[in-house]
Amino acid sequence: AQSVAQPEDQVNVAEGNPLTVKCTYSVSGNPYLFWYVQYPNRGLQFLLKYITGDNLVKGSYGFEAEFNKSQTSFHLKKPSALVSDSALYFCAVRDYNTDKLIFGTGTRLQVFP
Amino acid sequence: NAGVTQTPKFRVLKTGQSMTLLCAQDMNHEYMYWYRQDPGMGLRLIHYSVGEGTTAKGEVPDGYNVSRLKKQNFLLGLESAAPSQTSVYFCASGGVGRNTEAFFGQGTRLTVV
Repeated sequence: AQSVAQPEDQVNVAEGNPLTVKCTYSVSGNPYLFWYVQYPNRGLQFLLKYITGDNLVKGSYGFEAEFNKSQTSFHLKKPSALVSDSALYFCAVRDYNTDKLIFGTGTRLQVFP
Repeated sequence: NAGVTQTPKFRVLKTGQSMTLLCAQDMNHEYMYWYRQDPGMGLRLIHYSVGEGTTAKGEVPDGYNVSRLKKQNFLLGLESAAPSQTSVYFCASGGVGRNTEAFFGQGTRLTVV
């Protein structure tokens, strides 16, 4: 079965510094990977998705994600963090066989002024 | 354009009571999902549907039933609520295709006492 893992429960970064939120995947076949963000007391919002052939994917709010097939990773990045980026971030994968959308456990990003 | 709407937003149930959560989408999406979100466990898929009249089990289906009689609606039922079902429930919808993203509702906070 397809799965994603987010190894860090929380990431802390100072405003203005680059940030990385990690995600690794386990899939058979082509990976269909997504990043979502959840602000307090809100639903999830789509940030970006992997498109086959593009190792660097750009998304909303200045976020981008780097796909690395050899390391089976799809890390979320931003060159300069904002305090307003503080939220819960989820990586997700579409199961190739069942069409289920499976989420990781989430990483809380805290950006300090 | 309302997107994905969940009803109700909050509910308190007594153990053993039943209830139905309603999810409605106005984007003509084929796929719909029900998730529960618990601290430290991310989003776990309860049931999902790949089209009107179809339903399938997710990762944690026990104690829940679903129906998709109309394309725009996906109902989640709890026949006999248990305290372990205290959670935040999210509905999502998405288009056909493995690389299509899902759109989420605002969530329903359910407490079973």
